[in-house]
Amino acid sequence: QSALTQPPSASGSPGQSVTISCTGTSSDVGGYNYVSWYQQHPGKAPKLMIYEVSKRPSGVPDRFSGSKSGNTASLTVSGLQAEDEADYYCSSYAGSNNLGVFGTGTKVTVL
Amino acid sequence: QITLKESGPTLVKPTQTLTLTCTFSGFSLSTSGVGVGWIRQPPGKALEWLALIYWNDDKRYSPSLKSRLTITKDTSKNQVVLTMTNMDPVDTATYYCAHWSFMLFSFDYWGQGTLVTVSS
Repeated sequence: QSALTQPPSASGSPGQSVTISCTGTSSDVGGYNYVSWYQQHPGKAPKLMIYEVSKRPSGVPDRFSGSKSGNTASLTVSGLQAEDEADYYCSSYAGSNNLGVFGTGTKVTVL
Repeated sequence: QITLKESGPTLVKPTQTLTLTCTFSGFSLSTSGVGVGWIRQPPGKALEWLALIYWNDDKRYSPSLKSRLTITKDTSKNQVVLTMTNMDPVDTATYYCAHWSFMLFSFDYWGQGTLVTVSS
């Protein structure tokens, strides 16, 4: 199981949108609709932002949205706010006999 | 309210065995659809899934670390224990435990993490 590939960084000005990609294979991202996204602020534990590709847990703003096409999932943050500056990690289910796999992480900077 | 907290040594020597305990509340590991996982994060690096134990005692391990890891649960104490043998400086990381939800297919609650340093 190899880590899912994310761009190291992404940035946008307040109010703008930023989209982060997460590329895997047909054995993980492409094979199942079980992609999650986690937000991590410095020194803090990760927080679940998106599950099952595009669903938001209670309390997560609708500025956060997810999608998937083939082996690549994406997280879009619309209407960027200062508090959105954080590291973001994708994760995918990889089959019943395997553990899931995390992405390489993307640092989002609000300019 | 679901909470989890990791405990264990902050410093271990190379070749030693690390034992970490995750003590949780707000859910039972005997409830169908529930799991507890361990995830680690070396300083400045990405998250890495280590192990996961389900309510039915089914277990999953990282293929690259499987030979060194053991995950167990004590339902009566609301604890999950992870042991990692033959520790090396590259295992220096913050270790997190987290609640796995089959409904969300995700880790929806995380502990605060505990930094483990491997050094002689």
